[in-house]
Amino acid sequence: GAGVSQSPSNKVTEKGKDVELRCDPISGHTALYWYRQSLGQGLEFLIYFQGNSAPDKSGLPSDRFSAERTGGSVSTLTIQRTQQEDSAVYLCASSFADEKLFFGSGTQLSVL
Amino acid sequence: AQSVTQLDSHVSVSEGTPVLLRCNYSSSYSPSLFWYVQHPNKGLQLLLKYTSAATLVKGINGFEAEFKKSETSFHLTKPSAHMSDAAEYFCVVRSSGTYKYIFGTGTRLKVLA
Repeated sequence: GAGVSQSPSNKVTEKGKDVELRCDPISGHTALYWYRQSLGQGLEFLIYFQGNSAPDKSGLPSDRFSAERTGGSVSTLTIQRTQQEDSAVYLCASSFADEKLFFGSGTQLSVL
Repeated sequence: AQSVTQLDSHVSVSEGTPVLLRCNYSSSYSPSLFWYVQHPNKGLQLLLKYTSAATLVKGINGFEAEFKKSETSFHLTKPSAHMSDAAEYFCVVRSSGTYKYIFGTGTRLKVLA
């Protein structure tokens, strides 16, 4: 596709349920990032994938959060046993070599 | 350790007047600095970036920023604001040799008619 695609655009879930958020990066981009944006906050780094290297998971806030990237392309961020404090916009970005991040439009997650 | 501080959470200007959005950074190594803009219900878009070439960087839509090492600043300016500039702006730092982008908390720009 022409840009970074994220789905769903909105997700409403009940506390305790698991959710999966999908990111389809720009074709050929080797780097993929997940960020979280809470109301009035900056972007919080979650996880970074680069090619076939082991991902940097240092930003994941708890072990309820996990992510994978299959075939160096599509990535899925999974949140288990969601809590109300997980409510936020989850942003995915991809890049190649020129340091420019291309962002998707995000997934607005609401945990009731 | 890297960090970035955006000094104003909200800025209001009248259409046609100058814009100044302030950013200070902290970085142990030669930093790359960026400004991103986020329009309502749209994805973040790169405005401009500094990577140790010219200290005055020109970006899209008439914006520019000046890297001042002595002041550890990278303020964003535009001579004349347009209504379409209303958005949230993020200052971002990345230290040389790393891939971690550190985002500021954002400045919401309001343009008054």
